[in-house]
Amino acid sequence: SQKIEQNSEALNIQEGKTATLTCNYTNYSPAYLQWYRQDPGRGPVFLLLIRENEKEKRKERLKVTFDTTLKQSLFHITASQPADSATYLCALDSAGGFKTIFGAGTRLFVKA
Amino acid sequence: GAVVSQHPSRVICKSGTSVKIECRSLDFQATTMFWYRQFPKKSLMLMATSNEGSKATYEQGVEKDKFLINHASLTLSTLTVTSAHPEDSSFYICSATPREADTQYFGPGTRLTVL
Repeated sequence: SQKIEQNSEALNIQEGKTATLTCNYTNYSPAYLQWYRQDPGRGPVFLLLIRENEKEKRKERLKVTFDTTLKQSLFHITASQPADSATYLCALDSAGGFKTIFGAGTRLFVKA
Repeated sequence: GAVVSQHPSRVICKSGTSVKIECRSLDFQATTMFWYRQFPKKSLMLMATSNEGSKATYEQGVEKDKFLINHASLTLSTLTVTSAHPEDSSFYICSATPREADTQYFGPGTRLTVL
């Protein structure tokens, strides 16, 4: 069956450290993968999109990798700050790009 | 750019009434809008895909007569929850995709509580 798996346990890290979140998928062949941030009671906010032919993408303190062999994406936040505390969702395209399927998200807590 | 609004942000209604939620793309034209439902600590569940000028495509298990979707223009889609019941209480989120783009831009969500 098709699955998108993100670590359901919350990730607690100290301010200034690098946070690494994992997204694994099975029985999908996405052309691209996206990461979103969601704060409690709010809609998701788009962060980064990485295509299947890209290994890595960066935006300010964010870095995403995409390994289509491992069927995995890693999302890194360097020099983390308490303001980075949120739930991070990975999402991939399905049905030829007509649908986006979301993982359940990983909650990140950054302690000052 | 790419701002999506949703109205209302919160609504409380009595069982049996209908509730309309609006989703607008403020600074771009969206040929496609999506409606999601989200339960606490769960992922977004796609309810339907709404294309301007045509009927919405509903996901399996979503009652189209219960959740009426109208995509009247390139900047507006509405979701009407008809004859709402307590089990319809949830967080409803819309998103919109600009032309020739892959990314979805989400509205802030609507918290529906049915008493």
